[in-house]
Amino acid sequence: SQQGEEDPQALSIQEGENATMNCSYKTSINNLQWYRQNSGRGLVHLILIRSNEREKHSGRLRVTLDTSKKSSSLLITASRAADTASYFCATDGQAGTALIFGKGTTLSVSS
Amino acid sequence: GAGVSQSPRYKVAKRGQDVALRCDPISGHVSLFWYQQALGQGPEFLTYFQNEAQLDKSGLPSDRFFAERPEGSVSTLKIQRTQQEDSAVYLCASSLRRRNNSPLHFGNGTRLTVT
Repeated sequence: SQQGEEDPQALSIQEGENATMNCSYKTSINNLQWYRQNSGRGLVHLILIRSNEREKHSGRLRVTLDTSKKSSSLLITASRAADTASYFCATDGQAGTALIFGKGTTLSVSS
Repeated sequence: GAGVSQSPRYKVAKRGQDVALRCDPISGHVSLFWYQQALGQGPEFLTYFQNEAQLDKSGLPSDRFFAERPEGSVSTLKIQRTQQEDSAVYLCASSLRRRNNSPLHFGNGTRLTVT
């Protein structure tokens, strides 16, 4: 079963534009993480936000977390062609076991 | 330093064959996870090790799936009597600390195709 659901499923933008992806989840969490996956590769960790944090920045990435709505968003500013990838949110499982991943958002950035 | 290494990169098996997939985690990482990723989907949890102890195997889809990490380092995922529905990418990840308190470092996966 998958805890997180990303929205939209696919997103196509031009270089320089901002990309926003959303994630909704079902149960209480300790933290939420975002990962990127390039085609044919493993996932790469981008950012971790704890349940007591509301916003976090890392370079061109901005993540927000709203625990009351059980949702998070990932904003990539000034996108580049190299940002083309699938993006996944991941949360703790109900029993605090392994990370549970959503189905992902496929981002395509064209130059 | 070296990242998580998985082998083989690709595996084609005939239905009914047994396969073994290997994962070399980052040295010193306590936690090791196996995930299964179907085409166009997110990774689905299979099993979790803390050092050599398999603490959670709730995601293994059937008793044909077996994982071990005997010395708390290298791990092997074995699938017996493979079926077509086992075709997927199998991802291994390790992390420095326990469970989900730190980022996961993933290997590039083993793509298993069962014909």
